[in-house]
Amino acid sequence: DAGVIQSPRHEVTEMGQEVTLRCKPISGHDYLFWYRQTMMRGLELLIYFNNNVPIDDSGMPEDRFSAKMPNASFSTLKIQPSEPRDSAVYFCASSSGMTGGDQPQHFGDGTRLSIL
Amino acid sequence: AQSVTQLGSHVSVSEGALVLLRCNYSSSVPPYLFWYVQYPNQGLQLLLKYTSAATLVKGINGFEAEFKKSETSFHLTKPSAHMSDAAEYFCAVSLAGAGSYQLTFGKGTKLSVIP
Repeated sequence: DAGVIQSPRHEVTEMGQEVTLRCKPISGHDYLFWYRQTMMRGLELLIYFNNNVPIDDSGMPEDRFSAKMPNASFSTLKIQPSEPRDSAVYFCASSSGMTGGDQPQHFGDGTRLSIL
Repeated sequence: AQSVTQLGSHVSVSEGALVLLRCNYSSSVPPYLFWYVQYPNQGLQLLLKYTSAATLVKGINGFEAEFKKSETSFHLTKPSAHMSDAAEYFCAVSLAGAGSYQLTFGKGTKLSVIP
């Protein structure tokens, strides 16, 4: 079975540029999560969707960050304009249903983002 | 609000020795608890989960964890470490029946296995 697929795996760009990260969740999963991982702050939940609708975006650091889920098989996380402090590994995860949170999340391999 | 504390950001064990990674949680309601493993340059992979069915949970790769409500702990163990166990391990907690979903992760414990 195909897992969560993220692209690109690595992204290096200059400060001020727009960055778009992409995610394809596992087919049939109705929850999608975006995380950021850094040495200093560990894993942070940025936003999550249920049935393509954003449920909680309180973890999005600032207005430069935006996320969309136009359909059940695709989501994007966009940073515009990007800054060096946005450098991190960004993970997408998905899970099926939610009976009170007992379903595990399945993670993609991440996008390693470097902003110069 | 729930929280997770992993004691020890780095643990070293000899190959063949017992692995013990500690996790304590804080939750106002019965929690669901998870252990994930992250190998270099990869995403997090589920090792095991506790969902109130049994207090001793067995996972993949010979790992297991025991839920102890009185100690608010969910420590991860493996009787005999293998070189391939070297990775970072994350404990996570989710609220049961909370209506909105949030998985809170600990800061992780990096396990080194010495040959």
